[in-house]
Amino acid sequence: SAVISQKPSRDICQRGTSLTIQCQVDSQVTMMFWYRQQPGQSLTLIATANQGSEATYESGFVIDKFPISRPNLTFSTLTVSNMSPEDSSIYLCSVLEAPEQFFGPGTRLTVL
Amino acid sequence: GNSVTQMEGPVTLSEEAFLTINCTYTATGYPSLFWYVQYPGEGLQLLLKATKADDKGSNKGFEATYRKETTSFHLEKGSVQVSDSAVYFCALSEAGTASKLTFGTGTRLQVTL
Repeated sequence: SAVISQKPSRDICQRGTSLTIQCQVDSQVTMMFWYRQQPGQSLTLIATANQGSEATYESGFVIDKFPISRPNLTFSTLTVSNMSPEDSSIYLCSVLEAPEQFFGPGTRLTVL
Repeated sequence: GNSVTQMEGPVTLSEEAFLTINCTYTATGYPSLFWYVQYPGEGLQLLLKATKADDKGSNKGFEATYRKETTSFHLEKGSVQVSDSAVYFCALSEAGTASKLTFGTGTRLQVTL
């Protein structure tokens, strides 16, 4: 199974700033995803990170707020832009190795 | 759209007790069903899965049976251990793939000696 790492593991940020989260996979994968897990809530899919093209966003999420890069088949970044306290969440990347999806350890973000 | 409903936690059990965590779903077609587990301080791990009606997924003593007639996928374990303390998520994906997972809200299990 794929081994996934994320950086940073946690951060505390000021409102109005931006944070970029990195996701690295130890093998080439076609499909990568970004999820958000708000405090006490379940996971919600933000977008599918597509290699070589724009990410595909789910309803309620927009590129200006969550720009995503996918420069190759092993790496992706998610930026949380112009942060507010409501963005405090755990952000997780995942990869699909059909038929299973594997998750990274998550990035715990606190916005003050 | 698709949705997953889990029983609310936390669930507190003594070691060696029987565990049931209820999960029901709403989906079109024939989704695949999953249970993920999140141990303290760790990421999500796939615990078990079932891809068609009447399939039983099992792993580490946990079992769940895909019941299409009741749209359910309840998680069970006959004898829990302290090391099973974690948050358990039921999830589904559209038929045939594990992409675009829809998760339940998660159930925290605390097992005590």
